[in-house]
Amino acid sequence: AQTVTQSQPEMSVQEAETVTLSCTYDTSENNYYLFWYKQPPSRQMILVIRQEAYKQQNATENRFSVNFQKAAKSFSLKISDSQLGDTAMYFCALSRVSYQLTFGKGTKLSVIP
Amino acid sequence: DAGVIQSPRHEVTEMGQEVTLRCKPISGHDYLFWYRQTMMRGLELLIYFNNNVPIDDSGMPEDRFSAKMPNASFSTLKIQPSEPRDSAVYFCASSTGRRDGYTFGSGTRLTVV
Repeated sequence: AQTVTQSQPEMSVQEAETVTLSCTYDTSENNYYLFWYKQPPSRQMILVIRQEAYKQQNATENRFSVNFQKAAKSFSLKISDSQLGDTAMYFCALSRVSYQLTFGKGTKLSVIP
Repeated sequence: DAGVIQSPRHEVTEMGQEVTLRCKPISGHDYLFWYRQTMMRGLELLIYFNNNVPIDDSGMPEDRFSAKMPNASFSTLKIQPSEPRDSAVYFCASSTGRRDGYTFGSGTRLTVV
């Protein structure tokens, strides 16, 4: 079975500070992809960052970066210089060979002015 | 590109009525997914298509749910008859493959009273 676990239901961070969201997963496959999606109050699902499992280098997109630990099956998201617009639900997701995305339950992030 | 287009954005219907949700994927994307989001169950995959052919419908909750993709630019998700427990946000997403992630529509919030 493929599972994705986000152990932090809610988090908060001061504006301009750095925050890390945790995600662990379980899969028996070797060829998979991991994603972080953002869902602001508008409910639109927005792709933040992606990681290919066979790549050692951690992905980075502007203020967003990941810490991918394949052996530990861990995939955390770091947001630097947090902005008010980062307030949203964040979902970790695993893409299997079958093309299905399995999502975690989400972490609600609040950026405090 | 206009992205994945879903309609309607909101739907309120009475129990027992037929509901049809619509989706136009991004041109050139050959995978289309229907997801349901609820507070209790999070994001669940209902069904997905590849080149207009249903590949996996194991997530469809029961026979009241059906989905079609008559051509590459249009898909529908139909619930007949609808029940209050079907109330949720229904997302459509499209993709060219796992590596590129999935682009989501803005979702349809369905309320069955």
